[in-house]
Amino acid sequence: GQQLNQSPQSMFIQEGEDVSMNCTSSSIFNTWLWYKQDPGEGPVLLIALYKAGELTSNGRLTAQFGITRKDSFLNISASIPSDVGIYFCAGQDDSGNTPLVFGKGTRLSVIA
Amino acid sequence: DGGITQSPKYLFRKEGQNVTLSCEQNLNHDAMYWYRQDPGQGLRLIYYSQIVNDFQKGDIAEGYSVSREKKESFPLTVTSAQKNPTAFYLCASRWGGANVLTFGAGSRLTVL
Repeated sequence: GQQLNQSPQSMFIQEGEDVSMNCTSSSIFNTWLWYKQDPGEGPVLLIALYKAGELTSNGRLTAQFGITRKDSFLNISASIPSDVGIYFCAGQDDSGNTPLVFGKGTRLSVIA
Repeated sequence: DGGITQSPKYLFRKEGQNVTLSCEQNLNHDAMYWYRQDPGQGLRLIYYSQIVNDFQKGDIAEGYSVSREKKESFPLTVTSAQKNPTAFYLCASRWGGANVLTFGAGSRLTVL
């Protein structure tokens, strides 16, 4: 099936630093979603993007839907220890009938 | 509160045994999904169902079976034919008009 390239695979940062991660696809998507998964739990939706060029914020999180519709990024500003977890991107293609495609995740570790 | 309930949270089984994971949602969502998560592999789709009494194979359906007799329930059976069943299993659901998935808390299956 389709795949998303999500990078980086893992990150170790100091508390207070900013974080950036991104996803790219070979296909055009009409929806980009960003989820966070805490250890041993299910992913929780952080931000949903529905329009090319859209820039959306949720507290310290900011995500953008790429102009080409083939990429998206997520930024976290002033990281804190509770930001630790796995961040997943997910995309939906134009057909709307196929399931979401997920990236392999970015594992974030925050050093206090 | 509306949500998705997965049970059991932890399950141990011996090789050669079938096991069924429960997934119940009270969100009145139309579609339901089962994903498997292994370290570094992201979320891989096992089966999904868009309406009652209908379901489709995902990318890794071999060794698994599902049923969708009721809108709110989508149980997953891990059969003895699944060669490497130890994993974290996630159930999700989606309202028909939206692309966003809501996840349960997951079930961790360990084969001894």
